[in-house]
Amino acid sequence: DQQVKQNSPSLSVQEGRISILNCDYTNSMFDYFLWYKKYPAEGPTFLISISSIKDKNEDGRFTVFLNKSAKHLSLHIVPSQPGDSAVYFCAASAMMNQFYFGTGTSLTVIP
Amino acid sequence: EPEVTQTPSHQVTQMGQEVILRCVPISNHLYFYWYRQILGQKVEFLVSFYNNEISEKSEIFDDQFSVERPDGSNFTLKIRSTKLEDSAMYFCASSDDRGGQPQHFGDGTRLSIL
Repeated sequence: DQQVKQNSPSLSVQEGRISILNCDYTNSMFDYFLWYKKYPAEGPTFLISISSIKDKNEDGRFTVFLNKSAKHLSLHIVPSQPGDSAVYFCAASAMMNQFYFGTGTSLTVIP
Repeated sequence: EPEVTQTPSHQVTQMGQEVILRCVPISNHLYFYWYRQILGQKVEFLVSFYNNEISEKSEIFDDQFSVERPDGSNFTLKIRSTKLEDSAMYFCASSDDRGGQPQHFGDGTRLSIL
């Protein structure tokens, strides 16, 4: 049951350009969303979150956008850096209950 | 920065054997979680734990699984009779509030069932 989907398994971006990672969800009860970054052999690291009362949250080079009507969120990284190369997971929950993760998008930032 | 630590990093076990995966959450955190990621698949929620009891569990977390906080620092996941399909990365996480955000993850234990 894929309640959270990341349809792009991989993405390559030139250093300095914008990276846009996308995530779609099906459950309209989801009201809290997060992005995690994962390097090989490490656990996921929290990156940024957004609640359903907002449509944008920004933290430095990272911005998450939420489009509730489309059930879509995206993570923008600008400018992209080689150290951003990792797998990015989006996750969603309803009323702070269990989180559902997407399958991840592997980002490669090319120097 | 405080970390969630998991041991061992890799556990190899014969099918049918019991295995215990150990986690030391961040010391002032109150909420604890286990997730697993089967190779090539998504991260899946297993269980959350608060105030010495399970607060939520997924359908994956059946009777062969149990969790325990045996002392003030450790949080363990026990799989009673392992199956081949239990082979996965198991991640422990902790957080300091009900919202659970952000959850801090350990680096995982790779469980290989032979």
